[in-house]
Amino acid sequence: NAGVTQTPKFQVLKTGQSMTLQCAQDMNHEYMSWYRQDPGMGLRLIHYSVGAGITDQGEVPNGYNVSRSTTEDFPLRLLSAAPSQTSVYFCASRRHGLYEQYFGPGTRLTVT
Amino acid sequence: EDQVTQSPEALRLQEGESSSLNCSYTVSGLRGLFWYRQDPGKGPEFLFTLYSAGEEKEKERLKATLTKKESFLHITAPKPEDSATYLCAGGDDKIIFGKGTRLHILP
Repeated sequence: NAGVTQTPKFQVLKTGQSMTLQCAQDMNHEYMSWYRQDPGMGLRLIHYSVGAGITDQGEVPNGYNVSRSTTEDFPLRLLSAAPSQTSVYFCASRRHGLYEQYFGPGTRLTVT
Repeated sequence: EDQVTQSPEALRLQEGESSSLNCSYTVSGLRGLFWYRQDPGKGPEFLFTLYSAGEEKEKERLKATLTKKESFLHITAPKPEDSATYLCAGGDDKIIFGKGTRLHILP
């Protein structure tokens, strides 16, 4: 049971490039979320999903897209990277009706 | 606007010196109030869920309490290994976090 996995662990992008951060969980959790964490800003919710085919915006959704075609995967797409998107990105999952979120190890993204 | 505010931002204690961390919240549709611990370079780790005012939860040297407007994380006789950032969060489908309290326990 791997829990929540994220790839890559580190990534450097140039301004304007696009990329997808991968997140997968093997716990059959319905809920999945993406957060970004910046120094002094805590965790901010980007997008979340309550089940396959259903996604919704969080606190800071601009510049990011998500989709949820399967229960296991919840990729986060950066369409045109900007330096303001330099951050550590965490994916989390939990079971419906429970609030214990399991977090992945994070992806550290730098946009130059 | 939904908001979770934590204080203090940072706290340094001597080993054995008890204290409390505060979390105040205004979150529409709040279903629960949650506490997490985060060690440097790692994802947050779940500690507690509190559902209603008056509820208390305990784990080792930590006790979380909840009122209608705020939550406290009490740390009793802390040890250096309790040093971490403690995060408070609230919500239902959408869960938002405060900025955290960085706790440092000196031996």
